[in-house]
Amino acid sequence: GAGVSQSPSNKVTEKGKDVELRCDPISGHTALYWYRQSLGQGLEFLIYFQGNSAPDKSGLPSDRFSAERTGGSVSTLTIQRTQQEDSAVYLCASRPPVNTEAFFGQGTRLTVV
Amino acid sequence: QKEVEQDPGPLSVPEGAIVSLNCTYSNSAFQYFMWYRQYSRKGPELLMYTYSSGNKEDGRFTAQVDKSSKYISLFIRDSQPSDSATYLCAMSAVNFNKFYFGSGTKLNVKP
Repeated sequence: GAGVSQSPSNKVTEKGKDVELRCDPISGHTALYWYRQSLGQGLEFLIYFQGNSAPDKSGLPSDRFSAERTGGSVSTLTIQRTQQEDSAVYLCASRPPVNTEAFFGQGTRLTVV
Repeated sequence: QKEVEQDPGPLSVPEGAIVSLNCTYSNSAFQYFMWYRQYSRKGPELLMYTYSSGNKEDGRFTAQVDKSSKYISLFIRDSQPSDSATYLCAMSAVNFNKFYFGSGTKLNVKP
């Protein structure tokens, strides 16, 4: 596709359920980032994948959060036992190997009720 | 103290005005500086990026970086109602392992 694709665009889940958020980066982009944006806040870094290197997980807020990237392409962010404070927009971005610019998807709006 | 500080606004200007948006930062390792525009309920869209200090112009937009002051700016000339959005500054060190974002400035350009 032409841009970074995220699915679902909206997700409402009950507290305590697990959710999976998907990101399809731009073809050929080796770097992939997950960020979280809470209402009226800036972007909070979660995790960074670069090629086959070990991911930088330093931004994951708790062990309920995990992410993987299969085949250097599609990434899935999993939140286990969701809490109301997990409600936010989860944004994925990808970056090509040479350039500096990161391109964002439209985000997944997660609401935990 | 946050690594990147940005005035949240909101900033309201009449159509045609020159808009100045700014960010300050504390980490001298930052070398790459970006501005993103985010419309309501959309993902951030890259507007401009610059490397190190200096100016960069693209149409009505000019980005300035002053590394000695740890201060970056985005100027919008002849602002249009379609420029109404939240503007996020972002920066990174050379390893690009993460981008550090400001909290965003909400801009409203009134017709």
